[in-house]
Amino acid sequence: ETGVTQTPRHLVMGMTNKKSLKCEQHLGHNAMYWYKQSAKKPLELMFVYSLEERVENNSVPSRFSPECPNSSHLFLHLHTLQPEDSALYLCASSQGAHRGRTDTQYFGPGTRLTVL
Amino acid sequence: KQEVTQIPAALSVPEGENLVLNCSFTDSAIYNLQWFRQDPGKGLTSLLLIQSSQREQTSGRLNASLDKSSGRSTLYIAASQPGDSATYLCAPSGNTPLVFGKGTRLSVIA
Repeated sequence: ETGVTQTPRHLVMGMTNKKSLKCEQHLGHNAMYWYKQSAKKPLELMFVYSLEERVENNSVPSRFSPECPNSSHLFLHLHTLQPEDSALYLCASSQGAHRGRTDTQYFGPGTRLTVL
Repeated sequence: KQEVTQIPAALSVPEGENLVLNCSFTDSAIYNLQWFRQDPGKGLTSLLLIQSSQREQTSGRLNASLDKSSGRSTLYIAASQPGDSATYLCAPSGNTPLVFGKGTRLSVIA
């Protein structure tokens, strides 16, 4: 496979469930990102992982927990979500990211999450 | 805090027209600016990245310009085609990684 892949593509979960989203990049990049895209809102950066640092958006609730075991894999662990967390969750990667400076980002197809 | 505005929010044109999409941002201290397209329900595809030191960047029928001091970028699409129908997003990168606008939804009618 090439590019950025995400699994699952669709996920329906209850508010008491625990699930994880997975992202994998095959581009040899050193930085990975999680974004949230809600209806009628701008794409919102949630987390950035790079070789040098992890950057968080301070407005992201603790029920979202990222994990980056290596430069090719990124997870988003979900627990006790709310219906308003229903959205398209996009993963991206780039060659580098330092203090906001980012190279061209390549996006995965996204996971459509529905919280009941 | 960087804020990005894209005008118009939606645009419908007949096939073959040249068109301009506008992007403005409030913090001119950026490193670069990227333009993306997004098809419905799908991820984003990078179209162009223009560095803060550049004035414009071209790829095929697409041309992006950047006026960093005034906080503006435009995406010019020449000879539009139905396959260009998508939402176009601009995102400057500065002290924080990419901040996105809400996008311009483009429909090209055959």
